[in-house]
Amino acid sequence: AQTVTQSQPEMSVQEAETVTLSCTYDTSENNYYLFWYKQPPSRQMILVIRQEAYKQQNATENRFSVNFQKAAKSFSLKISDSQLGDTAMYFCAFMKQGGSEKLVFGKGTKLTVNP
Amino acid sequence: NAGVTQTPKFQVLKTGQSMTLQCAQDMNHNSMYWYRQDPGMGLRLIYYSASEGTTDKGEVPNGYNVSRLNKREFSLRLESAAPSQTSVYFCAGGTRGRKTMNTEAFFGQGTRLTVV
Repeated sequence: AQTVTQSQPEMSVQEAETVTLSCTYDTSENNYYLFWYKQPPSRQMILVIRQEAYKQQNATENRFSVNFQKAAKSFSLKISDSQLGDTAMYFCAFMKQGGSEKLVFGKGTKLTVNP
Repeated sequence: NAGVTQTPKFQVLKTGQSMTLQCAQDMNHNSMYWYRQDPGMGLRLIYYSASEGTTDKGEVPNGYNVSRLNKREFSLRLESAAPSQTSVYFCAGGTRGRKTMNTEAFFGQGTRLTVV
């Protein structure tokens, strides 16, 4: 079974600075997707960024980028130029490619951006 | 186009009561999911359905049943509610697209359930 581990329950960063959230996962699969979701206080789940495992190039979406290390089974999220609106829970998630499409989440990291 | 719609948004139950959480999607998702979210525990998968008529247990299925009668709807039933089932419940629909950019899960707004 796949598992996703986020080792940082809480983090904080100053506005305009850069922060990196960690995620590791355990799987025997070779083809899969990885995701970072954001959950602001509104409770809505918002997709931040996705990565397909076969792609070596790290995904980027504006101020958000990932460092995907397949051999190490690591998938960290870097937020550059942090903004107050980035304050939220961030969840790392794993989905196997093909088969049942089961989507598994980590326990989350609570990020606070301070003014 | 409403996306994924959950009802109700809030519910209080007495121990032993039953209820069904409804979820409907209009995005033509093949897969649908039910999660519960508890403080410090992240989102834990209760049940999921890879396609119409099929369901599979997730990490925490005990005390719940699900039904996927058609592609649009995936309901979660609590037959005899217990205080341990107090949580926020999320339904999601997922698509594995031909392109990576189409592969993601879309979530409903959540249901805050309290069992007293």
